[in-house]
Amino acid sequence: DADVTQTPRNRITKTGKRIMLECSQTKGHDRMYWYRQDPGLGLRLIYYSFDVKDINKGEISDGYSVSRQAQAKFSLSLESAIPNQTALYFCATSDFPGEEEQFFGPGTRLTVL
Amino acid sequence: AQTVTQSQPEMSVQEAETVTLSCTYDTSESDYYLFWYKQPPSRQMILVIRQEAYKQQNATENRFSVNFQKAAKSFSLKISDSQLGDAAMYFCAYRSTQGGSEKLVFGKGMKLTVNP
Repeated sequence: DADVTQTPRNRITKTGKRIMLECSQTKGHDRMYWYRQDPGLGLRLIYYSFDVKDINKGEISDGYSVSRQAQAKFSLSLESAIPNQTALYFCATSDFPGEEEQFFGPGTRLTVL
Repeated sequence: AQTVTQSQPEMSVQEAETVTLSCTYDTSESDYYLFWYKQPPSRQMILVIRQEAYKQQNATENRFSVNFQKAAKSFSLKISDSQLGDAAMYFCAYRSTQGGSEKLVFGKGMKLTVNP
């Protein structure tokens, strides 16, 4: 089974709808991240969390919110989706100190019509 | 703030040949990590190789090696004996070692095509 899972894998929604993307991990890592990937822009950080009580805004947090329900779960919400939030969304985890790399989930393709 | 630049949006290479992907970065820190991630059409982000800035020796992982030039802030990836499975997007990334700043900063990526 995958260490970092994301649901759904693909989602099509309409402008103005609320949508939640979920991430779960079995790696036991404290740190979790949400990134957004757009063509030609690479991955940009939306939010990150170092533990259940520590949540921080990233580079592009406007229009998004997050919830860290447990060490293993980190959800990203779009309160009122808009078309320019159409993108590929990745969840990632890391351990610190220890492994320096981040481990990514399979991504969620979100389309907002 | 740190930045990562991948100036070549696309490259192509013949199967079995060698290709070098370039990456430059900007930071005022002396200790940090650099990574190359691969994203095949499956869209999964896969770590290819990593380099710790305090290590002078260039990292190597099988057919993948880096040329890390700290003073020049350059971190290129060399792929030897290119295979069809190497075709993917490649992202260079930077990570600080300072506590509370462990998030990754990515370049915009480069698409590698491998021709048979």
